[in-house]
Amino acid sequence: NAGVTQTPKFRVLKTGQSMTLLCAQDMNHEYMYWYRQDPGMGLRLIHYSVGEGTTAKGEVPDGYNVSRLKKQNFLLGLESAAPSQTSVYFCASRMTATDTQYFGPGTRLTVL
Amino acid sequence: QQQVKQSPQSLIVQKGGISIINCAYENTAFDYFPWYQQFPGKGPALLIAIRPDVSEKKEGRFTISFNKSAKQFSLHIMDSQPGDSATYFCAASKPSFNKFYFGSGTKLNVKP
Repeated sequence: NAGVTQTPKFRVLKTGQSMTLLCAQDMNHEYMYWYRQDPGMGLRLIHYSVGEGTTAKGEVPDGYNVSRLKKQNFLLGLESAAPSQTSVYFCASRMTATDTQYFGPGTRLTVL
Repeated sequence: QQQVKQSPQSLIVQKGGISIINCAYENTAFDYFPWYQQFPGKGPALLIAIRPDVSEKKEGRFTISFNKSAKQFSLHIMDSQPGDSATYFCAASKPSFNKFYFGSGTKLNVKP
């Protein structure tokens, strides 16, 4: 099992550009999450999904959109990137019956 | 309002010493309190977790102490080793919330 994988690992964008981050899990987990990690601020929840076809907002959803068309994939989109979105993005997943989240390796995004 | 407050921001401990990281939470409905360990360039990984029906949980050199009345919990690393050098995050959740709230992180450096 690969666990949780994220694509790409690194990306540099110019202000106003768009991009999509892909998260994939092969553990058949119902729940999936997108977090951003910034120095001194821990992990902040952007959006999450409790199952295929459902999404919900987290703490910091502005400027991001998500989709969960397949159970194993959770996409995070930036429609018009801003320098404030420079961060490391982590995806996580968990089973319904447990509280343990499994994190991916992260995507480091720089917006110039 | 920050749901989980973590301190200290950074910690330096000598090899063999005890590392202590503290967290305080706001919402009395939280009933799951995990600690995650993150090495540079990697995603966080669950280290140990506790529920409020016990005051302490120990796994090897790692212990969580939980004080429900004070709404505080802490991570103790006994006989700290250089390999424990990492960033540690506390978190809190209630399963029905579908969300996890993370502390700001503590960067631990264990000196040989």
